[in-house]
Amino acid sequence: AQTVTQSQPEMSVQEAETVTLSCTYDTSESDYYLFWYKQPPSRQMILVIRQEAYKQQNATENRFSVNFQKAAKSFSLKISDSQLGDAAMYFCAYRGGGTSYGKLTFGQGTILTVHP
Amino acid sequence: GAGVSQSPSNKVTEKGKDVELRCDPISGHTALYWYRQSLGQGLEFLIYFQGNSAPDKSGLPSDRFSAERTGGSVSTLTIQRTQQEDSAVYLCASSLQGGNQPQHFGDGTRLSIL
Repeated sequence: AQTVTQSQPEMSVQEAETVTLSCTYDTSESDYYLFWYKQPPSRQMILVIRQEAYKQQNATENRFSVNFQKAAKSFSLKISDSQLGDAAMYFCAYRGGGTSYGKLTFGQGTILTVHP
Repeated sequence: GAGVSQSPSNKVTEKGKDVELRCDPISGHTALYWYRQSLGQGLEFLIYFQGNSAPDKSGLPSDRFSAERTGGSVSTLTIQRTQQEDSAVYLCASSLQGGNQPQHFGDGTRLSIL
C-alpha cells in the first residue's frame, strides 16, 4: 500500500519570506501523480499544485513550486514571498496510476503559520 | 460555475441513529469521492464512483457505511446505527476522468455523535 509522510507537524514563516514543506512517499508504482492541497479554517480543500511522476520538470504555480525527486520519493513544496493568506494546513497527496487509480492517499498535514 | 456542494454543513445526532450526508458534484464530473477527516485518523478515503463502473468501496470502515450515486450525479453517504467514533468531517470531491485531474472538494459535513 502507498503511504505518504509529512514529517513537519507545524511550520512558521515570516511574511515575505520563503518556506519549504516536506513530503515523502512510498510506492512500487512507476506511474502516479502527486498533489499539494491547502485547507484553511473554512475546511475546504484547495488544490495548490500537482506533479505527474513521468515529468522531470518541477511544477510551478506563481509563488508555489515543488522539488520532485523521484528516486528519493520526495515531493517538497516551496512557498516564496509568503503572505498572511497562505496560513493553513497543507496536505501532500498521492494518486496511483494502477489499481489505486482514483483515490488520494494523504499525509498527516503540516500547519503553516505566517507571522506579519 | 458552482463547486461541490455538501449538505448539511453540520449534523448532530444521537448514538444509534442513522444519518444521510449529501453531495452534489461539479456538473460534468464523472468521478465522485468520499473521504473522512478526523483528529485521530487524518484524511481517509472511503469510496469512489467513476461513471457507470462498480464503485471502489475499499475504504468503507464497516458495513454500517454505504453510499450510492444516482443518475451519475448526486451521491448520498449513509451511516447506520451511528457510533461516537463516527464523529468526523466527511468530505466529498469530484473530478473529471484522468489520473492527473485534480479532485475538487466541498466544504464538508461535520458530524457529531452524542
